[in-house]
Amino acid sequence: DTGVSQDPRHKITKRGQNVTFRCDPISEHNRLYWYRQTLGQGPEFLTYFQNEAQLEKSRLLSDRFSAERPKGSFSTLEIQRTEQGDSAMYLCASSLGQIANVLTFGAGSRLTVL
Amino acid sequence: AQSVTQPDIHITVSEGASLELRCNYSYGATPYLFWYVQSPGQGLQLLLKYFSGDTLVQGIKGFEAEFKRSQSSFNLRKPSVHWSDAAEYFCAVGRDDKIIFGKGTRLHILP
Repeated sequence: DTGVSQDPRHKITKRGQNVTFRCDPISEHNRLYWYRQTLGQGPEFLTYFQNEAQLEKSRLLSDRFSAERPKGSFSTLEIQRTEQGDSAMYLCASSLGQIANVLTFGAGSRLTVL
Repeated sequence: AQSVTQPDIHITVSEGASLELRCNYSYGATPYLFWYVQSPGQGLQLLLKYFSGDTLVQGIKGFEAEFKRSQSSFNLRKPSVHWSDAAEYFCAVGRDDKIIFGKGTRLHILP
């Protein structure tokens, strides 16, 4: 068990470019969550998957954001036409079963949009 | 609406002193309750959780928290803090699907 891995750890991009983040959850975990954290704030829920099904999306997830978990294993979060307001830490977490089984977080992917 | 309030943005305590971090929540039903800690450059780490039963729960690193239903609170305590406890602490609530986090309390430790 190597924990939850996120890649890249840091990404600097210019406004208008597309970026993609990858999350590899703990292998036996069937639930995968994406959160966003800005400076001085707590993590804000974006979306979550149970296996390959995306079960809920926050209204924070605009049309420029898309998340996938094609085979129920790793997940990607893509942001198209990035804006400066997208600058944040994007956190991935996984769990086995429902919330009662507790989220294990990755170290996050920090996005800076210039 | 579901929400978590951590009224203290920053707290400073002396090493060896006791600590209490406050958390109040608004939720339709009795939620599951969590405290996470985040150190610089580190991922969020679970300190403790409450699902049901005994309202005083013990966690890692000597932390404990008490669930008070009448006050919708889940305050975190530690009898004697160590310099290594300096970090940001997040209270979170949820049930069955996602969990919602408070804005966090940053803990500073004076030597």
